[in-house]
Amino acid sequence: DGGITQSPKYLFRKEGQNVTLSCEQNLNHDAMYWYRQDPGQGLRLIYYSQIVNDFQKGDIAEGYSVSREKKESFPLTVTSAQKNPTAFYLCASSIGWGMYETQYFGPGTRLLVL
Amino acid sequence: GQQLNQSPQSMFIQEGEDVSMNCTSSSIFNTWLWYKQDPGEGPVLLIALYKAGELTSNGRLTAQFGITRKDSFLNISASIPSDVGIYFCAGPYTGNQFYFGTGTSLTVIP
Repeated sequence: DGGITQSPKYLFRKEGQNVTLSCEQNLNHDAMYWYRQDPGQGLRLIYYSQIVNDFQKGDIAEGYSVSREKKESFPLTVTSAQKNPTAFYLCASSIGWGMYETQYFGPGTRLLVL
Repeated sequence: GQQLNQSPQSMFIQEGEDVSMNCTSSSIFNTWLWYKQDPGEGPVLLIALYKAGELTSNGRLTAQFGITRKDSFLNISASIPSDVGIYFCAGPYTGNQFYFGTGTSLTVIP
């Protein structure tokens, strides 16, 4: 089955700790994205990558970092600089980029601060 | 991503009733996407529209791409309890940015 997997489903972070959220896709998509979703709010773009070894900041990149060393993988690190990390994080992908793309989402990771 | 104007914000309906919701933008879109999100889950793509005026169905769901290319509509016929969730629209805008609707929360009363 083709799709996007995210792990873990739930993640707990202690103060001052960096944590990494995994996102893997086997759809052979070039573009991948990370979004943050807070209760009652829409999706906010953290980072996106159009191709391997390239990524761009989204609207709320501060306190986050990413890498794109492989086409199928786009991990997100929530650093200690992110002061309010509690949220639902969604990874997505699309075949390419442009005005006719369709975006597919993973199941999400909920990050909680201890 | 920036937000599209979606209405209504929430709906409470009786099982069996039909549902309509819409999304509008001040900008032209070439693609309109409709998703459903259950609590604690990722959004699932319901319907994708690629042409102005296009009308596409997926079971009891029907979506339309407005002829002005600035709006889209989603209808659900004969609602059932499992239709409960948040529905939102989306579309690719400049480069690799997607705009998202604010969401319509649907509650179906048995």
